[in-house]
Amino acid sequence: AQSVAQPEDQVNVAEGNPLTVKCTYSVSGNPYLFWYVQYPNRGLQFLLKYITGDNLVKGSYGFEAEFNKSQTSFHLKKPSALVSDSALYFCAVRGSSWGKLQFGAGTQVVVTP
Amino acid sequence: IAGITQAPTSQILAAGRRMTLRCTQDMRHNAMYWYRQDLGLGLRLIHYSNTAGTTGKGEVPDGYSVSRANTDDFPLTLASAVPSQTSVYFCASRGTGDEQFFGPGTRLTVL
Repeated sequence: AQSVAQPEDQVNVAEGNPLTVKCTYSVSGNPYLFWYVQYPNRGLQFLLKYITGDNLVKGSYGFEAEFNKSQTSFHLKKPSALVSDSALYFCAVRGSSWGKLQFGAGTQVVVTP
Repeated sequence: IAGITQAPTSQILAAGRRMTLRCTQDMRHNAMYWYRQDLGLGLRLIHYSNTAGTTGKGEVPDGYSVSRANTDDFPLTLASAVPSQTSVYFCASRGTGDEQFFGPGTRLTVL
């Protein structure tokens, strides 16, 4: 079985400060890891993914994520948050089953001016 | 390019009624998915289709059925709606880069 945990329901950060959204996973075999963002009343949008290779993955809108195999984590980061980054963020993992993602419960990010 | 379209945008439905949520993609992706989004639970997979003519059950398939007659369309049917099926429903397709593309969603309320 595969699972994803996003331990924080909400993350609050001031504009210009670093942003981190945590994600840990459990999966059989090599993990395929993804981050998605959802703005109000919209569908999910792909941010970045880790399949193989460098542990630091760069994605859209200045986001990056670091894959840590020993800690089974894939935390999302942004060096300097913007108010427009306020949204709901989902971590997802795919293991041995082809194409079927397991999503975390989501973390609401609130960036204040 | 529209990507994925879903219809209706929202619907209020009486319990016991039959309802079909429509999903169409124009990206010629083979794999498609239906999820429901509920507060605090994230997205849960209802049904999926790896290619036209095939479908499979996801995490929460009970009360739902799907068909995949062609590559572009992947409708989701609730045969007899119940209040617990009140949710936001998202259709998605899987691109060649392994990421999924999502439609705008259908907000369904079953009374």
